[in-house]
Amino acid sequence: ELKVEQNPLFLSMQEGKNYTIYCNYSTTSDRLYWYRQDPGKSLESLFVLLSNGAVKQEGRLMASLDTKARLSTLHITAAVHDLSATYFCAVDTYSGGGADGLTFGKGTHLIIQP
Amino acid sequence: DAGVIQSPRHEVTEMGQEVTLRCKPISGHNSLFWYRQTMMRGLELLIYFNNNVPIDDSGMPEDRFSAKMPNASFSTLKIQPSEPRDSAVYFCASSFGSRETQYFGPGTRLLVL
Repeated sequence: ELKVEQNPLFLSMQEGKNYTIYCNYSTTSDRLYWYRQDPGKSLESLFVLLSNGAVKQEGRLMASLDTKARLSTLHITAAVHDLSATYFCAVDTYSGGGADGLTFGKGTHLIIQP
Repeated sequence: DAGVIQSPRHEVTEMGQEVTLRCKPISGHNSLFWYRQTMMRGLELLIYFNNNVPIDDSGMPEDRFSAKMPNASFSTLKIQPSEPRDSAVYFCASSFGSRETQYFGPGTRLLVL
């Protein structure tokens, strides 16, 4: 059974600081997704990482993937209040006969304080 | 583009009643997914369809849950009979290809009393 673990699950940080969210998964996968969810809202796609060593950046967020270590990171640079949200990583498993859908981590609840 | 459309947005019902959730995927997308989100269990994949065909329903909790996709632009998730433990937010998502980025609808917030 695929397991996806995120840490930390809760993070309170100050504006202007840098921090990293970690996502570990238990089985081979070459595709990892990051989503953002605001309270009471739906999930918004942030990044799709398609191969080992992939790095993507959008504004103050940068995501990377190491398939050998089964690890993805989401790095926040000079955090601002608007980035407060819950961030999910999700792993796609593919068994040859077809995709098995996404398995999500429990999410990292991020609060950025002025 | 209107995005994924779900209805109703909120549903309050009594235990034992039938509940039907509806989803219209993004036009042109051929994969559709149903997820459930709760505080205790997080986000769980219930079932997904490729080209209107159910591919994997192993996440459907029990026989009380059923899902259909009669055509490329419409899917339903039915719970009969509903129980209080079914209370959750149910999301529908669609993608162009089962391994592509999934776009989520606004969700249906279900409360079973």
